[in-house]
Amino acid sequence: GAVVSQHPSWVICKSGTSVKIECRSLDFQATTMFWYRQFPKQSLMLMATSNEGSKATYEQGVEKDKFLINHASLTLSTLTVTSAHPEDSSFYICSVNPGTGHGQPQHFGDGTRLSIL
Amino acid sequence: QKEVEQNSGPLSVPEGAIASLNCTYSDRVSQSFFWYRQYSGKSPELIMSIYSNGDKEDGRFTAQLNKASQYVSLLIRDSQPSDSATYLCAVNEEGSGTYKYIFGTGTRLKVLA
Repeated sequence: GAVVSQHPSWVICKSGTSVKIECRSLDFQATTMFWYRQFPKQSLMLMATSNEGSKATYEQGVEKDKFLINHASLTLSTLTVTSAHPEDSSFYICSVNPGTGHGQPQHFGDGTRLSIL
Repeated sequence: QKEVEQNSGPLSVPEGAIASLNCTYSDRVSQSFFWYRQYSGKSPELIMSIYSNGDKEDGRFTAQLNKASQYVSLLIRDSQPSDSATYLCAVNEEGSGTYKYIFGTGTRLKVLA
């Protein structure tokens, strides 16, 4: 069964809208979650590491004021794309690390396809 | 800059053949390595993880790791058209304290019926 639930799976909205994406860890408590973005025919690009109870760690070049991350509980992290524009259209994927050991594989959500008109 | 490199492909193999996917990484202290399969429009799914030098087999898949050469590969035996996908190599970034991955750009595999 699914280990990570991501919602919504598809969003189409107008330019200037803010969009919230949820990532839930279903089987275990996750102190760390990751948010990726993937453009067509490109690999996954890590945007930020979401840390439960503290601020997210953003990768270089990712605007933290535009991509707001909240990790208020051990099972839920949210990514809000604020004032989205067409260039923000992409496939956003979250992943969860069980955190039980350094070599544990990440489990990915099904992704959210965001289209900004 | 820590890097993970893969041939982007496409790698085309006939049905029933062995597909060989390769990955090299730059961080010599890396300890954990993963292969993910990603179908078009879908998120990655874990195929194999490997941590020790040598081979690790799981069904039709075999992962091979050579830390001295900083090389990890994935063999797919008896390739099927359903194996056609992009295969992503991921390496755990040691020292980050956050279990971050460094992903390769992926190799697109096409299995021809």
